Amino acid sequence: KAGVTQTPRYLIKTRGQQVTLSCSPISGHRSVSWYQQTPGQGLQFLFEYFSETQRNKGNFPGRFSGRQFSNSRSEMNVSTLELGDSALYLCASSLEGGTTDTQYFGPGTRLTVL
Amino acid sequence: AQKITQTQPGMFVQEKEAVTLDCTYDTSDQSYGLFWYKQPSSGEMIFLIYQGSYDEQNATEGRYSLNFQKARKSANLVISASQLGDSAMYFCAMRDPLTGTASKLTFGTGTRLQVTL
Repeated sequence: KAGVTQTPRYLIKTRGQQVTLSCSPISGHRSVSWYQQTPGQGLQFLFEYFSETQRNKGNFPGRFSGRQFSNSRSEMNVSTLELGDSALYLCASSLEGGTTDTQYFGPGTRLTVL
Repeated sequence: AQKITQTQPGMFVQEKEAVTLDCTYDTSDQSYGLFWYKQPSSGEMIFLIYQGSYDEQNATEGRYSLNFQKARKSANLVISASQLGDSAMYFCAMRDPLTGTASKLTFGTGTRLQVTL
């Protein structure tokens, strides 16, 4: 079974631009979560989508948004990029996002904002 | 709020030796789940092992075992017979008890393990 895939793997943008990252979950998984990883803040939860609905949200500004499609694929968008948005963005999928479900992560998208 | 503490920024271990990576947690919830992930330099987070708070036995997955001491709120990862490929960052994580789902994980700061010949 194919794992979680994320595209693109690397991205370079300039301040003020916007960016869209894509995540395809493991087949059959309906929950998709996004995390931001930076050297200073570590791993932080962004949001989770299940059945095309945002179910959980972390403490990030409204510039960070996402959506999920009927095939469970998810995208996250960051508008008006700031230098501090440079990070590794990790997507994870799980069956239902239940209490004992395991999240399986993709390889990440490394975003650099200049 | 829940908190995960990993006090070892870096660890060295010789090939074929066992190593313990420490993890303590803080939560007032009675039902919680603890996870360990491995992150090689490529960036992907690889699931290693899961322990539920009501599980009476310590979890094991191949060379990985979790030393779960509930009263001390610790969930240490033990890697037996270390291999060069085990060199990576290791993260301890906890399911968010407030949301009750496994999809919102709180991570520790990680331990960088280096396996030497």
